[in-house]
Amino acid sequence: DAKTTQPPSMDCAEGRAANLPCNHSTISGNEYVYWYRQIHSQGPQYIIHGLKNNETNEMASLIITEDRKSSTLILPHATLRDTAVYYCIVRPPGSSNTGKLIFGQGTTLQVKP
Amino acid sequence: DGGITQSPKYLFRKEGQNVTLSCEQNLNHDAMYWYRQDPGQGLRLIYYSQIVNDFQKGDIAEGYSVSREKKESFPLTVTSAQKNPTAFYLCASSIGGRWNEKLFFGSGTQLSVL
Repeated sequence: DAKTTQPPSMDCAEGRAANLPCNHSTISGNEYVYWYRQIHSQGPQYIIHGLKNNETNEMASLIITEDRKSSTLILPHATLRDTAVYYCIVRPPGSSNTGKLIFGQGTTLQVKP
Repeated sequence: DGGITQSPKYLFRKEGQNVTLSCEQNLNHDAMYWYRQDPGQGLRLIYYSQIVNDFQKGDIAEGYSVSREKKESFPLTVTSAQKNPTAFYLCASSIGGRWNEKLFFGSGTQLSVL
């Protein structure tokens, strides 16, 4: 399975950009990188996903390195409500089912005033 | 509003008792999923269903059962065979049919053993 490695925790000042790194060195050519976040005691929320190119939506930007071995999720102007656990996920190879996503322990982002 | 509704928010199980967690979605999604989350851990897939009247075991299906008689409903039963049922249970859905689609999650059910 393609696994991901994330730092267990990060801090960010309110209003500043939060850059959350993820390593996925065993990713294969047709696997997407997904990011979800989970606020305490709630269900995870989809943020963004990408394959090769950088992606941007109303929530965040996703920067994927050219060799696809790592990526960075960018929250351009972090607010206190962005405090959550952020999961970087790569779908396991050989699976035909979207739900078989491996959620690791993620990065706990603490946004501070 | 469209979404996924899980009930109850909190549930308590006595020893030897089966309990059923409800999951309903009005997103018209074909695929539905159940995950288990233990404190400080990521999510683990219990069961999933890609279409009505069909479901498959995930990574930790032992001690659990599901049914998918209606498109909008995917209840999970935690049986007495599940010896460590205390956890946060999450239901999710997706459109279905595409392997790169995103999941929509409910707000979860916290199950505890009395």
